[in-house]
Amino acid sequence: EAGVVQSPRYKIIEKKQPVAFWCNPISGHNTLYWYRQNLGQGPELLIRYENEEAVDDSQLPKDRFSAERLKGVDSTLKIQPAELGDSAVYLCASSLRQQYNEQFFGPGTRLTVL
Amino acid sequence: AQSVTQLGSHVSVSEGALVLLRCNYSSSVPPYLFWYVQYPNQGLQLLLKYTTGATLVKGINGFEAEFKKSETSFHLTKPSAHMSDAAEYFCAVNTNRDDKIIFGKGTRLHILP
Repeated sequence: EAGVVQSPRYKIIEKKQPVAFWCNPISGHNTLYWYRQNLGQGPELLIRYENEEAVDDSQLPKDRFSAERLKGVDSTLKIQPAELGDSAVYLCASSLRQQYNEQFFGPGTRLTVL
Repeated sequence: AQSVTQLGSHVSVSEGALVLLRCNYSSSVPPYLFWYVQYPNQGLQLLLKYTTGATLVKGINGFEAEFKKSETSFHLTKPSAHMSDAAEYFCAVNTNRDDKIIFGKGTRLHILP
């Protein structure tokens, strides 16, 4: 069974540029999460989807961040415009509902904003 | 509010020695507790979890953790460290019975030859 797939793995951009990250969860997993992991820190939830519905986006900086999961499968996270402080690893995870929150993580996208 | 504290951002042990990584949580209700491991340039992998039942939980790679309600702790142990155990370890907690878990800041485990 394929795991959570993320692309790209690395991205370097200049500040004020837009950037997008893509995630394909494990087949059949209806819950999808985007996390941000700053250097030396644990992951922090940005947004959680149940199928195509964003059920928790309270930590998503909505002035510059957006996300979508149109068909309830893969998802895209976008930043526009990027700032220096957005440099981090962006992790995608997925889980089955009612599975004690066992989340399966992708390898992440490391973003560097110059 | 739920939270988790990991004591020690870096821990070094000799190969073959006992590994002990400390985690304390705050919760007003029985929590779900997790340990994840992250190898360099990889995502997080679940080591073990406690939901209900037996308080001593065994996970992959020889790790185990014990839920101690009286101490609000969920420390991770392994009897004998191996070089391949070098990684970052994250303790996480869920107390709201929803799908949101809170991660600690992580402990980087170094294995000395």
